[in-house]
Amino acid sequence: GAVVSQHPSRVICKSGTSVKIECRSLDFQATTMFWYRQFPKQSLMLMATSNEGSKATYEQGVEKDKFLINHASLTLSTLTVTSAHPEDSSFYICSARRTGGTGELFFGEGSRLTVL
Amino acid sequence: GDSVTQMEGPVTLSEEAFLTINCTYTATGYPSLFWYVQYPGEGLQLLLKATKADDKGSNKGFEATYRKETTSFHLEKGSVQVSDSAVYFCALSDFRNDYKLSFGAGTTVTVRA
Repeated sequence: GAVVSQHPSRVICKSGTSVKIECRSLDFQATTMFWYRQFPKQSLMLMATSNEGSKATYEQGVEKDKFLINHASLTLSTLTVTSAHPEDSSFYICSARRTGGTGELFFGEGSRLTVL
Repeated sequence: GDSVTQMEGPVTLSEEAFLTINCTYTATGYPSLFWYVQYPGEGLQLLLKATKADDKGSNKGFEATYRKETTSFHLEKGSVQVSDSAVYFCALSDFRNDYKLSFGAGTTVTVRA
């Protein structure tokens, strides 16, 4: 149990286009999901906290209009990178906290975005 | 704010060697402590955790003990295998910060046959 799936796992896009990444909790409900960004050989940087049915809370320095987050249901959160540029190329990872659980987070496999 | 400092890598070991990755933390409260592992091309997986002082987390031969007096949570394994090659992240979370995880920088471990 407690499986989190991200899609797509890899995406290559042209500069200026938008890319949507999905994060699904497959066998549990998740009121809260987190989106992280990981640069090569560096740790995970928390980008935003996504709460079902409300606006996401962004960490300092993260552009809200650049990284659109929608958490429309208890099992799905999406991250849209708008007008992507090469500097947005990164590994994006989501995690989900089980509703009513102990606070443990379960991570998706990550999505590798490459912007040409 | 809360933070985690872990040993810089990369670490290269031979099979069956002893592995230690140091991790210390700074926190105002009493956080929960975690070790996550990231295998090549994959997302993070929880390796082990400890929620209070003197707790020992263990899994897959790895162990770490929550030491409040030294604010540490060092990861150890007595005999590593090639399959243990991965990046290891120490992390903490606290209910005061809505359980958000704060990660260390990660330590890359390579085990040679």
